[in-house]
Order: sequence, then structure tokens, then C-alpha cells
Amino acid sequence: NAGVTQTPKFRILKIGQSMTLQCTQDMNHNYMYWYRQDPGMGLKLIYYSVGAGITDKGEVPNGYNVSRSTTEDFPLRLELAAPSQTSVYFCASSYQGGHGYTFGSGTRLTVV
Amino acid sequence: QQQVKQSPQSLIVQKGGISIINCAYENTAFDYFPWYQQFPGKGPALLIAIRPDVSEKKEGRFTISFNKSAKQFSLHIMDSQPGDSATYFCAASSGGGADGLTFGKGTHLIIQP
Repeated sequence: NAGVTQTPKFRILKIGQSMTLQCTQDMNHNYMYWYRQDPGMGLKLIYYSVGAGITDKGEVPNGYNVSRSTTEDFPLRLELAAPSQTSVYFCASSYQGGHGYTFGSGTRLTVV
Repeated sequence: QQQVKQSPQSLIVQKGGISIINCAYENTAFDYFPWYQQFPGKGPALLIAIRPDVSEKKEGRFTISFNKSAKQFSLHIMDSQPGDSATYFCAASSGGGADGLTFGKGTHLIIQP
């Protein structure tokens, strides 16, 4: 039982490049979330999804896009990477909204 | 605008002591208050959670105290151990939390042996 799997674990991007952060869960959770974690700033919600085909913006969505074509996968797309997007990105899923998140192990992204 | 304020930012406690982390919130619609524990290089993990209809919840050495009128809640770690050294986040959500959790900024806890 893998839980929430995020790939890659580390990535260095050049300014203006694009990439997709992958997130897959095998718990049949409907709710999935993307957060970014910056030192001393806690976790801020980027996007979330309450089920396949449904996505919505969180607190800090600018510069990101998501899709949810299946229950299992919730990829996060960065277009035109900027230094401000240097962060650790966490994907989470839950069976009941904000209750009982299972987090992935994170993707550490550096934009140079 | 930060809706959940957490303090202190860092905390050093001697082994066997009590660690206390505090959070305050502004949104009276919040109805679920979890605490997450994060070790370096790992994702946060749910530690314990409380709803506002109770004033205290205890699980092993971990206790949440909740004061609805003051809009404050706190995490107490009794008999703190070096293995408890981690970053702790309080959080809050409303209406089932489908639109996500609002997190505090975190407390870096060090338990000295």
C-alpha cells in the first residue's frame, strides 16, 4: 500500500522552463490537494480537487495549473517557472475533505 | 492574511518536560482543528485533532486543549522525548474541509536529551 506517491523528489529548473509534478494515490480518496511549503511560512494551498473532473483554486494558484482526469492522479503543472516558485511541494489526499490528510513525501523544486 | 497564528516559532525543551505550542484563529466558522507532525525530508503526518464541542482531547502523551471563547487551541506533549523533535503545524478547516486546511506557520521543536 503506497499511499500518496510524488515524483520527482528533487528538480532544478531554469527560469522560463515548464514541468509537471506528479501525484498518485492508491487509497481511492476523492479529495486531493497541492500545497507549497516555504521556510517559516507553513503550508499554503495551491489547488484542490473534490473528485475526478473537478478542480478549484486555493490561496496561491498563480503560475500553476492542475487536472484531475482520474481518481488516482492529480498532476501539478508549472508554466514559465520563476524563482518565486522555488519551494517544497506536497500533495495530499483524504477520504473526507480536510480531515485525515495523507501527505506524499514532497518534491523539492529549485528555479534558477 | 494569516487566519491561524502559531507560536512559538521554535522551542527547546529538556527530555521529560512538557512542550506547549499555541495557536489562535480568527474565522469562527472553523470547526475542525488538527495538529500535524513533520520530520525533516518527510511530509506532515496527522498527530491528533479536535472539534470545538469538546475542550480537551488526549491521545497518549499528546493533548489538545481548546478554548472556543478565546478562539485558541494548544498542543501539549507530556514527558517529551528526543524522538518528538520535529516541526509541528496547527491547522483549521470549516464545513467539512473540502476546500482544504489553513495551516499555521509551524513550530520547530527540539527535545534535548
